[in-house]
This record gives sequence, structure tokens and C-alpha cells, in this order.
Amino acid sequence: DILMTQSPSSLSASVGDRVTITCRARRGIRNYVAWYQEKPGSAPKLLIYDASTLHSGVPSRFSGSGSGTDFTLTINNLQPEDAATYYCQKYDGAPLTFGGGTKVEIK
Amino acid sequence: EVQLLQSGGGLVQPGGSLRLSCAASGFTFGSYTMGWVRRAPGEGLEWLSDINNSGSRTYYADSVKGRFTISRDNSKNTLYLQMNSLRAEDTAIYYCAKAGSISWYNVWGQGTMVIVSS
Repeated sequence: DILMTQSPSSLSASVGDRVTITCRARRGIRNYVAWYQEKPGSAPKLLIYDASTLHSGVPSRFSGSGSGTDFTLTINNLQPEDAATYYCQKYDGAPLTFGGGTKVEIK
Repeated sequence: EVQLLQSGGGLVQPGGSLRLSCAASGFTFGSYTMGWVRRAPGEGLEWLSDINNSGSRTYYADSVKGRFTISRDNSKNTLYLQMNSLRAEDTAIYYCAKAGSISWYNVWGQGTMVIVSS
């Protein structure tokens, strides 16, 4: 099975900051990575798929990059409503493993 | 409106069984892969299972293989997860989800809580 190693596990940043979250796969998975946002009491929401394609309705301050083994989610101009836990997911084939999550707090 | 409405959670004793349902509306259910994901208390998201659009192919995480069965009834626009031999560690919020063109999930159910406890 391919683990998705996500880092950091948590971070604290100020409104307006740029935040970067990374996921690393043990072997190449092309661009088969999605990113999700989860807030307490709500179902996860898709942000990015195919490593860099912004899902419909997601603010443009969210962006994704990477291919192969290393992937990045970037949040530019961090907003208070971005406080949440973020997960990467690989989907090159079962198991469709999620990363361990990154909790983003606003200072 | 695209929607997934879940039902069937609750409290069950260890070793017991439960069936979760996920009723879809607002899209052509039979055209899409569907899946189940859970989040245990204090833990991250865990992918459990996927089923292709026709139901002919299913996939499972090792943690539930042999105990859980995913199925679908395209005539009823409904996805199911039959959970047998439940353990305390299966306690979690369970989500059904609709896949996009590949198995990234663009629509999620509201979640249903399953508690396995004596």
C-alpha cells in the first residue's frame, strides 16, 4: 500500500499569510491527488483534484501543485474561514489513502 | 440539487451488524463510482470502500475487508454499506461520497454516526 505522508500535522498562521501543506507518496502516482477541507460538524469538501485543478466554487486563493511523489496545497491570503483540517488523498488505485491531515489555526 | 442523504447509523454491540444507506438525488446515480469514508473520533479520514458505476467492481481497505460489503441499487439510486462483526474501533462518522471522473469525491453525504459499544 502507498502511504501518503502529510506535513505539518498542524500549523498556526495569521490572516493574510501564505500557507503550504505537503504530501509525499512512497512511489510515483502521477497527478492522482485530491485535497479536501474538513470543518468540525461538516462533511469534507473537495478543493483540488488531479493535483492542481480547482474544484468549482473553490476560492482562487487555494492552489495545488506537484506530480509523481511530491504534492503541495497552498493557501494564499489566508482568511478566518480557512481554519479547518486539510487532507490529501491519492486515487491512482485502491486503497485510496488519505494523508494524516493538517490542522490550520488562525492566530 | 445534487444530494446524498444518509441513514442507518446508531449504537450497536461489538460483534453486531448494521447497514448504512445513502440515497442519491440530482444526478444520474448509475453513471458514477461511489465510495464510503469514515472518521473516527480524534482521527483523520479513512477511505473504506469504492464501487464502480455498475456495481461489478468493488474495492476495500484492509481494515474492513471481509467484514464490510459495499453495494448499490441503481434502480433505487441508493448506495449501501453492510457492516458485520463490528468492533469498538469501527466507531466513527461514516460518509458516503460520489466520485468525479476518477475516484476523487466531489459530493459527500451529511455523515452518520456509528457507535460500537456494549
